Amino acid sequence: NAGVTQTPKFQVLKTGQSMTLQCAQDMNHEYMSWYRQDPGMGLRLIHYSVGAGITDQGEVPNGYNVSRSTTEDFPLRLLSAAPSQTSVYFCASSNSPRQPQHFGDGTRLSIL
Amino acid sequence: GDSVTQMEGPVTLSEEAFLTINCTYTATGYPSLFWYVQYPGEGLQLLLKATKADDKGSNKGFEATYRKETTSFHLEKGSVQVSDSAVYFCALSDGNFNKFYFGSGTKLNVKP
Repeated sequence: NAGVTQTPKFQVLKTGQSMTLQCAQDMNHEYMSWYRQDPGMGLRLIHYSVGAGITDQGEVPNGYNVSRSTTEDFPLRLLSAAPSQTSVYFCASSNSPRQPQHFGDGTRLSIL
Repeated sequence: GDSVTQMEGPVTLSEEAFLTINCTYTATGYPSLFWYVQYPGEGLQLLLKATKADDKGSNKGFEATYRKETTSFHLEKGSVQVSDSAVYFCALSDGNFNKFYFGSGTKLNVKP
């Protein structure tokens, strides 16, 4: 009963480095999203996907790329890390737009 | 655009006190409304939901009623426990795409 699995749980990067945050779900959900959580700002949507091969931008997409080659996986790529991208990143999935989203435990990312 | 506004925290209560966390929303259509809870170091968990006007969501002693006339979805609990200490997020889904709008979160501290 894994639900939504995010890896890694913690990561420290240097400015300019690239990396991929992994997200996998085993509930056969079509809808998946990436959020970042910053103090006092709640969650902000970075990118989302409504099915394999279909992605779209959210509120704060700059500096991030996504792809959705399978229903299960939705990786988030940081192209050239910047200190402003220090945050906690959450992946979520749901089986329809009006249904609740299921969240992973998050990836805590620090960029020096 | 759609948005969610919830009361700022932190809210500090004694055990067995009554809890209200205010949430109001702005939406052009007929959104679904949610309350999520986040415990330290964890992802968001669905607490309750309501999908249409006058619906009451309830779970673990928490309740919230979808009030379209006041565009509100206030969270209430009659008697809080120390274990309820967490951050609570109000959220809405516009139902058209996988776009959730979150409030900024309200931290609840319950003292014994």
